[in-house]
Amino acid sequence: AQSVTQLDSQVPVFEEAPVELRCNYSSSVSVYLFWYVQYPNQGLQLLLKYLSGSTLVKGINGFEAEFNKSQTSFHLRKPSVHISDTAEYFCAVSDSDDMRFGAGTRLTVKP
Amino acid sequence: DAGITQSPRYKITETGRQVTLMCHQTWSHSYMFWYRQDLGHGLRLIYYSAAADITDKGEVSDGYVVSRSKTENFPLTLESATRSQTSVYFCASSGTYGTDTQYFGPGTRLTVL
Repeated sequence: AQSVTQLDSQVPVFEEAPVELRCNYSSSVSVYLFWYVQYPNQGLQLLLKYLSGSTLVKGINGFEAEFNKSQTSFHLRKPSVHISDTAEYFCAVSDSDDMRFGAGTRLTVKP
Repeated sequence: DAGITQSPRYKITETGRQVTLMCHQTWSHSYMFWYRQDLGHGLRLIYYSAAADITDKGEVSDGYVVSRSKTENFPLTLESATRSQTSVYFCASSGTYGTDTQYFGPGTRLTVL
C-alpha cells in the first residue's frame, strides 16, 4: 500500500511571501496525486491533482504543484500568499482503488 | 441544492451507546466514503462503498458498521461507542475511485464521554 509523508506539520509565513508545502509518497505502482485544502470548520476541497501528462499542475487560488517521479515528491507552491490562504493542507496519493492522505500541514499566514 | 450533507453536525454520547451518523449526496455518485480525522493522523478511511449494497472496509473499520441501501445515502453506525472513537467524521463521494475528485461533507464532530 502507498503512504504519504507531509514533511512539515506547521508552516508560518508572512503575507505576500512565497510558500512551499512538502509532500513525499511511497508506492510500488503508478499513482495519482492530489492536494486538498480544509478551511476552519469545513470539509476538504480539491486544490489540484496530477493524473498524467505535464508534471507541473496548476490549481485554484494561484497554487501549483510539481510531480517529481525520481524524488517521489509532489510539493505545493504559491508565489505570494494571502491571509485567506490560512488553512490545513492535505496531500493524498492513490492508485486505482486505494487513497491515502497525509497528516496535514497547517499553513498560517501572518500580516 | 446539490451537494453532500451530514447530520448531525455535533454529537455528544456516552460510552457503550449506539450512534448513527448520516450522509446524503445529490450527485448520484457511485462511490461514497467515510473518514475520521484525528490530530497527527490526517484522514483515515473507515469504509467505502462502490454502489448500493456494495461496501468494503478501509484502514480503521473496527467498531463501525455501514450500509448503503440507496445510492444517495451512506450511514455510519458506531454499535457501541468508545472514547477512542471521539473524532471528526467526514463523508465524501466521487464518481470513481482513484482518479476522480472526492467531494466532502462539512463533517460531524463526535464526542464520546
